[in-house]
Amino acid sequence: RKEVEQDPGPFNVPEGATVAFNCTYSNSASQSFFWYRQDCRKEPKLLMSVYSSGNEDGRFTAQLNRASQYISLLIRDSKLSDSATYLCVVNTNSGNTPLVFGKGTRLSVIA
Amino acid sequence: GAVVSQHPSRVICKSGTSVKIECRSLDFQATTMFWYRQFPKKSLMLMATSNEGSKATYEQGVEKDKFLINHASLTLSTLTVTSAHPEDSSFYICSARDQSLQETQYFGPGTRLLVL
Repeated sequence: RKEVEQDPGPFNVPEGATVAFNCTYSNSASQSFFWYRQDCRKEPKLLMSVYSSGNEDGRFTAQLNRASQYISLLIRDSKLSDSATYLCVVNTNSGNTPLVFGKGTRLSVIA
Repeated sequence: GAVVSQHPSRVICKSGTSVKIECRSLDFQATTMFWYRQFPKKSLMLMATSNEGSKATYEQGVEKDKFLINHASLTLSTLTVTSAHPEDSSFYICSARDQSLQETQYFGPGTRLLVL
């Protein structure tokens, strides 16, 4: 089983739609969780951290379910500029171990 | 937010030459930096973990003599692709962790390498 699994998509949605991405992780000892966004031919950029209590940043809501080892990202009122690949990222240990990246979910928002 | 720079952003070289890529953390110290490679339409692949003052840790399948990593200071790590070949053409991205910010990892803008 892969450490971090995501549906690769693509998700093609119209502007204004609400879209949700899911991610599962295999290591129950994982400590911190993130969503990154990567645009075509660019580096990944941190979108938001994910907390157990759930957190919201504008149109974006992230949730974590530790019992199910499941992370979600909800995007409301999709914009054309939201088109990108969304990477689910897990930190399995503290210290100097690298973050573990999912392969990403591609989103295309269509006018 | 924390900033990581990378230089050069793009390089074209002849087969057999060596290419050095620099990665700098601009406003924080990074005892650990990470080097990734990404082929077109593929996912990010971790190549190695660069540790300041000690040897890098390479992922399975990555040749340490081919990809030389030096992390001589808390703000600079370098990756040298030695004797580059066309199959080394890729997008190389470094990343550094700001451990004062809950271990958030920030990426450099990447270096696009084309080996002719």
